[in-house]
Amino acid sequence: TQLLEQSPQFLSIQEGENLTVYCNSSSVFSSLQWYRQEPGEGPVLLVTVVTGGEVKKLKRLTFQFGDARKDSSLHITAAQPGDTGLYLCAGPPYGGSQGNLIFGKGTKLSVKP
Amino acid sequence: NAGVTQTPKFRVLKTGQSMTLLCAQDMNHEYMYWYRQDPGMGLRLIHYSVGEGTTAKGEVPDGYNVSRLKKQNFLLGLESAAPSQTSVYFCASSYPGEAFFGQGTRLTVV
Repeated sequence: TQLLEQSPQFLSIQEGENLTVYCNSSSVFSSLQWYRQEPGEGPVLLVTVVTGGEVKKLKRLTFQFGDARKDSSLHITAAQPGDTGLYLCAGPPYGGSQGNLIFGKGTKLSVKP
Repeated sequence: NAGVTQTPKFRVLKTGQSMTLLCAQDMNHEYMYWYRQDPGMGLRLIHYSVGEGTTAKGEVPDGYNVSRLKKQNFLLGLESAAPSQTSVYFCASSYPGEAFFGQGTRLTVV
């Protein structure tokens, strides 16, 4: 059973398009982190959202944490080939150890020129 | 500044052999983690540690053991390797908060 469900699993789009990927759970999370992973590398943190309803922007990327802290979304505006990669959400379930950092399966994004 | 360093980077084992993967971090982080990553499965937490001398089981701990004798090092052991343990293994450390990952170890068990 996957505690964090990410969708879609794969996404292939053209440069300039907008997209949204989702991270959902039936459990509450203390916080959620979004990472991007490129082939042959370890994941690299993009953002952490902590407060229910929080919205954070990182250039063309917008992250939102659901009011109930059970879900999050990542929206990319005008995608570029450099955005290609595996996007992972992760977090420690609420009430458990902060060290229990659970990841979703990820969304593999391909942006074609 | 090395960050998180994993050794070795590649390894091929025969079924039943044992080995230890070493993770070292130079950021004075309290938390350290071992994950495995398989195609279509994302990152699955094997074991983690919230401080020197402490370890805890993650999602998929069976067949693995860990030790954190020094704050900067986190060792992952396979006592009797099985083909199902073929995977890419990632170590990470955090304060807590942002997790910093190593480059990964590609392990093949034949």
